Amino acid sequence: AQTVTQSQPEMSVQEAETVTLSCTYDTSESDYYLFWYKQPPSRQMILVIRQEAYKQQNATENRFSVNFQKAAKSFSLKISDSQLGDAAMYFCAYGDAGNMLTFGGGTRLMVKP
Amino acid sequence: EAQVTQNPRYLITVTGKKLTVTCSQNMNHEYMSWYRQDPGLGLRQIYYSMNVEVTDKGDVPEGYKVSRKEKRNFPLILESPSPNQTSLYFCASSEQENQPQHFGDGTRLSIL
Repeated sequence: AQTVTQSQPEMSVQEAETVTLSCTYDTSESDYYLFWYKQPPSRQMILVIRQEAYKQQNATENRFSVNFQKAAKSFSLKISDSQLGDAAMYFCAYGDAGNMLTFGGGTRLMVKP
Repeated sequence: EAQVTQNPRYLITVTGKKLTVTCSQNMNHEYMSWYRQDPGLGLRQIYYSMNVEVTDKGDVPEGYKVSRKEKRNFPLILESPSPNQTSLYFCASSEQENQPQHFGDGTRLSIL
């Protein structure tokens, strides 16, 4: 079974600065998808960004970007110009053909004003 | 409005009393799934369904049942709930496998 590891249970960043959240995964598949989801205190699960493994170009979505290192099986999320509204739990998730998602344990991001 | 609707949002009940958490989506999605969220463990998949009448076990299926008789509905059934099933539950759906999933607002279950 695939595993997803988020090694940082908590992270803190100053407002307007940049923070990077780490994620590693284990798989023998070559074709798969990776996601970052955000869960604010309202507990809704909100998609932040998606990356297809066959694409070499790193996905970006406004202030959010990823550093996808396929050989290293690493998928980190960079948040630029952090805002108070970015404070949330962030989950990394892996999916491949025939399976639904496997999630990491989450990283709680705190944003200091 | 495209959404996944779960009911109830909160439930406190006792060990052994059968309960059902309903899930409905209005996006005509093929794929639906149930997860439980526990501190430090992230979301773990309970069951998923790739189409009507097709369901498969996820990582933690013990103590749960599901059915997919209609495309829009995917109820989660706890036949004999136990305290270790106290958790936050999410239903999700997606158009195809590995497409971004739309999540419901979650159901907080407490089994005493």
